Amino acid sequence: GENVEQHPSTLSVQEGDSAVIKCTYSDSASNYFPWYKQELGKGPQLIIDIRSNVGEKKDQRIAVTLNKTAKHFSLHITETQPEDSAVYFCAASMGTASKLTFGTGTRLQVTL
Amino acid sequence: DSGVTQTPKHLITATGQRVTLRCSPRSGDLSVYWYQQSLDQGLQFLIQYYNGEERAKGNILERFSAQQFPDLHSELNLSSLELGDSALYFCASSLVTDTQYFGPGTRLTVL
Repeated sequence: GENVEQHPSTLSVQEGDSAVIKCTYSDSASNYFPWYKQELGKGPQLIIDIRSNVGEKKDQRIAVTLNKTAKHFSLHITETQPEDSAVYFCAASMGTASKLTFGTGTRLQVTL
Repeated sequence: DSGVTQTPKHLITATGQRVTLRCSPRSGDLSVYWYQQSLDQGLQFLIQYYNGEERAKGNILERFSAQQFPDLHSELNLSSLELGDSALYFCASSLVTDTQYFGPGTRLTVL
């Protein structure tokens, strides 16, 4: 089955700096890659996603890039703010109405 | 607010007991997914229902079962509970697309 690896496990950045989280997946049949943000005591919240027919997607300060050849995708957060502090999960699925396989999570801390 | 609701928010019970977790998907969503989140296993897919029928199974124990009712709400039943079943249980829903929206979860503590 699919396996998703995520790095780093923890990331500390200063407010205003950029943060990058990287994931690799194992199954070339995966074609949908969402990113979730989880705050303490809450459920995962979808922040951005990308499909395999697209190489990059951006939404304000958040961007995701996908390299299908390398089976690798990344989350980029620019101009980080304290409210960006949370655990971020990458995931992969094989498309419509399919289960998500999650990475192990990255705890991002944005310091003042 | 994702539109997915889960009850109860917290559940404390003893080993050997049985509990039922409830999920109401977003209006119009046909698929419901159950995930377990624990410190050692991360977020793991348990089971999926689509319009009342079981669609896919993941790492779900035989002591666990689920169903989706005609009104599309779903219940996850956990029986013969063990200490290791303590975890957060999340429900997610989707329409026919791949985008899944998660509920706030149920925190289960088995003492």
